[in-house]
Amino acid sequence: SQQGEEDPQALSIQEGENATMNCSYKTSINNLQWYRQNSGRGLVHLILIRSNEREKHSGRLRVTLDTSKKSSSLLITASRAADTASYFCATRGFTGGGSNYKLTFGKGTLLTVNP
Amino acid sequence: DGGITQSPKYLFRKEGQNVTLSCEQNLNHDAMYWYRQDPGQGLRLIYYSQIVNDFQKGDIAEGYSVSREKKESFPLTVTSAQKNPTAFYLCASSIGGQGNQPQHFGDGTRLSIL
Repeated sequence: SQQGEEDPQALSIQEGENATMNCSYKTSINNLQWYRQNSGRGLVHLILIRSNEREKHSGRLRVTLDTSKKSSSLLITASRAADTASYFCATRGFTGGGSNYKLTFGKGTLLTVNP
Repeated sequence: DGGITQSPKYLFRKEGQNVTLSCEQNLNHDAMYWYRQDPGQGLRLIYYSQIVNDFQKGDIAEGYSVSREKKESFPLTVTSAQKNPTAFYLCASSIGGQGNQPQHFGDGTRLSIL
C-alpha cells in the first residue's frame, strides 16, 4: 500500500509565486525524501529529511517534517516556469531489515508554473 | 559524467514475448532498483538488489525477473506472464541499500504492447 500521499494532486500558479505541497504518511519513518519528475523523464532527488529533523533548506526549497502529525511540506519560493514538474514524496520505514529498507512513493503533485 | 543509463527509450512487446530492459550505472553504487510507473501514479517497486549476486522481490514482482551479475548492471526481463506490461519503467541506484540515501534515476523505458 502507498505510504505517502501528496496534496494537492495538481497545483497551478503564476511565476514568482510560492508553491506549497504536502505529504502525509501512515506509519513511523526513518526519513522522508522529495523528488521531482519532469514529463517523460526520471526522478531527480531534491531533499532528504530524517525523522529527528524538523526543517531543511536547499536553495529555493524548504522542507518541513512534523512527525507528530505524520506530515511533511515542500515549499518552492519565487517559482519559475522551469519548476513545472511532478513532485513526489517517498518514505523509508522506521525499522530496518527486509522490505523496510525500501522507499514507498506517493502519487505526486503536478505543479504548473505559468509564465 | 556519472549516471544511470536505461535502454532502449521505447520498447514494444508482442504477445507471448519476453523483453529485457537494460540498466547500467557508473556511480559505483551497491544498490539498484526497478520501479514501474503507471499514468498518474507513483512508483511501485518491482525488484531491488542491495549487492551483487543478490536481489529481492518488491511489491509487484510477478511476471518480472532480474539478474545482478555485475555491480554496474541490473537488467529487467518482462516475461509473457506479465499480462499488463504497458508502463514506464524506471531504474535507480543508491550508495547503500538501506533506504537512507538518495536514489539516482535513469530516464526510463516506455514499454507498450503491439
